[in-house]
Amino acid sequence: GENVEQHPSTLSVQEGDSAVIKCTYSDSASNYFPWYKQELGKRPQLIIDIRSNVGEKKDQRIAVTLNKTAKHFSLHITETQPEDSAVYFCAARSNSGYALNFGKGTSLLVTP
Amino acid sequence: KAGVTQTPRYLIKTRGQQVTLSCSPISGHRSVSWYQQTPGQGLQFLFEYFSETQRNKGNFPGRFSGRQFSNSRSEMNVSTLELGDSALYLCASSGSSGGNIQYFGAGTRLSVL
Repeated sequence: GENVEQHPSTLSVQEGDSAVIKCTYSDSASNYFPWYKQELGKRPQLIIDIRSNVGEKKDQRIAVTLNKTAKHFSLHITETQPEDSAVYFCAARSNSGYALNFGKGTSLLVTP
Repeated sequence: KAGVTQTPRYLIKTRGQQVTLSCSPISGHRSVSWYQQTPGQGLQFLFEYFSETQRNKGNFPGRFSGRQFSNSRSEMNVSTLELGDSALYLCASSGSSGGNIQYFGAGTRLSVL
């Protein structure tokens, strides 16, 4: 089955700096790659996603890039703010349904 | 539109017991997926139901089972509970109207003593 690896597991940045989280996947049939943000005690919420026919997608301070050849994708957060502090999960979908295979998460801390 | 609703929010059980968790998807969504979240393993996929049929299954033992009803509500059952089953169980619903996105419920926190 699909295996998603995520790095780093923890990341600490100063407010205003950029943060980058990287994921790799194993199944070349994977075609959908979402990123979820989970704040402490809350449910995961989708922040951005990308499909396999697109190389990059941006939404304000957040961007995702996908390299299908290398089977990796990355989340970029610019001008980080303390409210960006949370656990971020990458995921990949390779089957016929909607279910996702998740990475183990990155705990991001943005210090003022 | 109401979001994904999971009940109960908290459960305490003892080893050997069984438990049933419930998930009501967003209206119109026919797919419900279940995940187990633990601090060490992140979010692990259990199974997905679509139109009352199990469509995909993760790598969990047969003690974990589920079903979906005609109104798309889903239940997950864990029999012969073990200490390692303590986790947050999340369900997510999806539908064509949502463009493939999985919307998560708040989860059920299960503690096995």
